[in-house]
Amino acid sequence: QSALTQPASVSGSPGHSITISCSGTSSDVGAYNYVSWYQQHPGKAPRLMIYDVTKRPSGVSNRFSGSKSGNTASLTISGLQAEDEADYHCISYTTSSTWVFGGGTKLTVL
Amino acid sequence: QVQLQESGPGLVKPSETLSLTCTVSSGSIKSYYWSWLRQPPGKGLDWIGYISHTGNTNYNPSLKSRATVSIDPSKNQFSLKLTSVTAADTAVYYCATLKYGGADFEYWGQGTLATVSS
Repeated sequence: QSALTQPASVSGSPGHSITISCSGTSSDVGAYNYVSWYQQHPGKAPRLMIYDVTKRPSGVSNRFSGSKSGNTASLTISGLQAEDEADYHCISYTTSSTWVFGGGTKLTVL
Repeated sequence: QVQLQESGPGLVKPSETLSLTCTVSSGSIKSYYWSWLRQPPGKGLDWIGYISHTGNTNYNPSLKSRATVSIDPSKNQFSLKLTSVTAADTAVYYCATLKYGGADFEYWGQGTLATVSS
């Protein structure tokens, strides 16, 4: 059982947008602006896509955006492309100075 | 861009100690905290712990003191030891960077599968 709750799967058509939610508590997601999102293709290492809730590392497409409301963070991918099909993981820093993870969401591009 | 490479035995017997090393290239060992994470087959990620270049550490309490992270700045390497392993410790183990003043894991190694089996 993961500490953060993500949907097991989402799907969308090319060109459309999808949003993946990541629900936590006031001790993690709601405590700080330290939520990050990672993309993971099969057999590959995770890749940082969003950090500090809304920031994009250099080289990440602006089709990826993050937000947070209360104890729930969200990742939105607009203009879906076939290459976006992957697993997406959310991670949050906690008030105990540790990290908690979501179970991952499998994105299917139809 | 920091490059990381994990190394270590792929098979460990139950109750023994898992030992892994991460070699850092194209980056200064003083610029980050150095972290270990793992992912059991078909499951989500989990954080194990981190170390600074001066040796300050922090661990996931769920590992109940079985994990030890050490660093050798002269070799640009840091290591993980996990004692008393069981089948539940079978996972892909990743090393990754953690920014000072931040909470995200920016650069990752490719990962190494460690299987616990007799």
